[in-house]
Formats: sequence, C-alpha cells, structure tokens
Amino acid sequence: QVQLKESGPVLVQASGTLSLTCTVSGFSLTNYGVLWVRQPPGKGLEWMGIIWTNGDTDYNSALKSRLSINRDTSKNQVFLKMNSLQTDDTAIYYCARNIYPALFDYWGQGVMVTVSS
Amino acid sequence: EIVLTQSPTTMAASPGEKVTLTCRASSSVRYIHWYQQRSGTSPKLWIYETSKLASGVPSRFSGGGSGTSFSLTINSMETEDAATYYCQQGTSYPPITFGSGTKLEIK
Repeated sequence: QVQLKESGPVLVQASGTLSLTCTVSGFSLTNYGVLWVRQPPGKGLEWMGIIWTNGDTDYNSALKSRLSINRDTSKNQVFLKMNSLQTDDTAIYYCARNIYPALFDYWGQGVMVTVSS
Repeated sequence: EIVLTQSPTTMAASPGEKVTLTCRASSSVRYIHWYQQRSGTSPKLWIYETSKLASGVPSRFSGGGSGTSFSLTINSMETEDAATYYCQQGTSYPPITFGSGTKLEIK
C-alpha cells in the first residue's frame, strides 16, 4: 500500500542546516510528485515546495533562497534541505504524494523538528 | 498568489447539528480541495475538486461552491468529526496555498 515516512534529526541548532528524508513505498517517484509542507506548533499548514514527476521543483518564494528538494528514484526517497535555520522554523514537517497537479492524497506521519538557539 | 480565507476560525457544534464551513478565494479558482486534520495526526484528503468525497469519507459530508466561494457541510455532526479542516486551491500554482483552517469542536 501507499506509504510515506519522514525521517531526520529532531533537534537542530539555529543557523544550522536541516536535512530530511521522505521514504515512499507503494508507488514510483517517476509517476507521482512529492510535496513538503510544515506546520508550526498550534498553527496552520505552510507549503514549502514540491518535486514533480520529471524532477522539476517549485518552492515557496519565502523559503526559496535557503531550501532545496531533490530525489533518488532508485531508493524511493525525496530529500529536503534547508539552511540558515531560525527558531521559527520549529515545526512538524510533512511529505505528501501529489496525485495530480496540486492534489495530495497520502501524507506521511510527520516529523517534529525543533530549532534550538 | 491566491489567498484563501476560511471562516469561522473556530466553532463548536452539538451532535446532530448541521455545520457549514466556508472558504473564500481572493481570485476565481476552478475548484477547492479540503483536508481534515484530527488532533495529533497528519492531514487527510477529505473532499477534492470541490464536491467529491475521498475514499472512506462519510456521506454526511458534502462540498460545494464555485468561483471564489466554497463550503464544506456536515449534515449531522458526529463526535468523530471534531477536527481542523483546511481548504487548498490547486488551480493557480505555484504557490500551492492553504487556508488558515477552521477548528471544529463538539459541544
């Protein structure tokens, strides 16, 4: 069945770099895109970026200068890397499958990342 | 960028009550998707393309609207429907935008 699972460090130092992995199963990254979304504690969903089936990416303009998303299709993994972290980057980070442009049908369980000053 | 405004921000409903949540877009969109997020869990696709129920969604839910005004309706509120509901537009992107959510509580 379709599954997505986020993994990575739960505590990162301010000014450091966050590296997260979304490992997928039950589908191919060449057939479906993957979205990254984050949710600060007690707040709403913020779109971060997306990697499409052809490997192209789009990013939230507010994060673009410090965010990159790429993938390894052979390992069924999508990677998020964001630098210059600040405490307001503390959030739950989710990946989700893009079933067709801008519709997301399966979500990972999320990983809570705390940025410590 | 299309901004989505959800109302109300928070509401409480009694079991059996009819509930309507609203999502308004700053510009016309083809359709809206809705996600349900129960406390402590990840979002779930709930309604897509304005009015189509995702797999497993009870038939007491419905979605409607067009242009800039959309709604999610629960015909008869049940305890398990307590959650935050987010709308999302997929017409004009990037950016992919979400509403700020409506938190629905049970009375």
